[in-house]
Amino acid sequence: SQELEQSPQSLIVQEGKNLTINCTSSKTLYGLYWYKQKYGEGLIFLMMLQKGGEEKSHEKITAKLDEKKQQSSLHITASQPSHAGIYLCGADGSAGGTSYGKLTFGQGTILTVHP
Amino acid sequence: GAGVSQSPSNKVTEKGKDVELRCDPISGHTALYWYRQSLGQGLEFLIYFQGNSAPDKSGLPSDRFSAERTGGSVSTLTIQRTQQEDSAVYLCASSLNRLVAGEQYFGPGTRLTVT
Repeated sequence: SQELEQSPQSLIVQEGKNLTINCTSSKTLYGLYWYKQKYGEGLIFLMMLQKGGEEKSHEKITAKLDEKKQQSSLHITASQPSHAGIYLCGADGSAGGTSYGKLTFGQGTILTVHP
Repeated sequence: GAGVSQSPSNKVTEKGKDVELRCDPISGHTALYWYRQSLGQGLEFLIYFQGNSAPDKSGLPSDRFSAERTGGSVSTLTIQRTQQEDSAVYLCASSLNRLVAGEQYFGPGTRLTVT
């Protein structure tokens, strides 16, 4: 089965600082998804990456997919307290590029942003 | 529009009792997923429904767990003879269709505590 490892496990930054969260897969990535979760709430979809070298941005969050390295990174520029939460990467557990949405998730990265 | 809703938000039950957890997906979404989130195991896939196809039950941890989806909409996850290790947050998610199956919209979850 596919396993996803996120690093770091937790991160504390000062408001305004940039930060990067990494997600490494044990198998080939056919689809990589980033989600954010606030305590006691469900997950919020952030971005989907499907092609090697693909990069997407939403507001101050940018995600990249390095297919060869089986890795994705999430970068936040000029972090704000509203960015605080748990960031999870998820990968489609199916092979061959067919997406069933049966996601395997990393263990999550807890981000704290101090004002 | 309305998001994914789940009920109850919290459930405390005695060991050995049966529980039913309900999920109302976003209207028009053909795919529905159940996940379980616990401290020790992270976020785990349980079961997946897609349209009228047979559900993918590969993530159910034991035969005490079952789920159904009536009329292609509302879903119920049933846990029989609950055990303490069943304590977790149960999350439901839906997606529009298989083409964007990884872009899932999550409900707030049901926190189950088995005493």
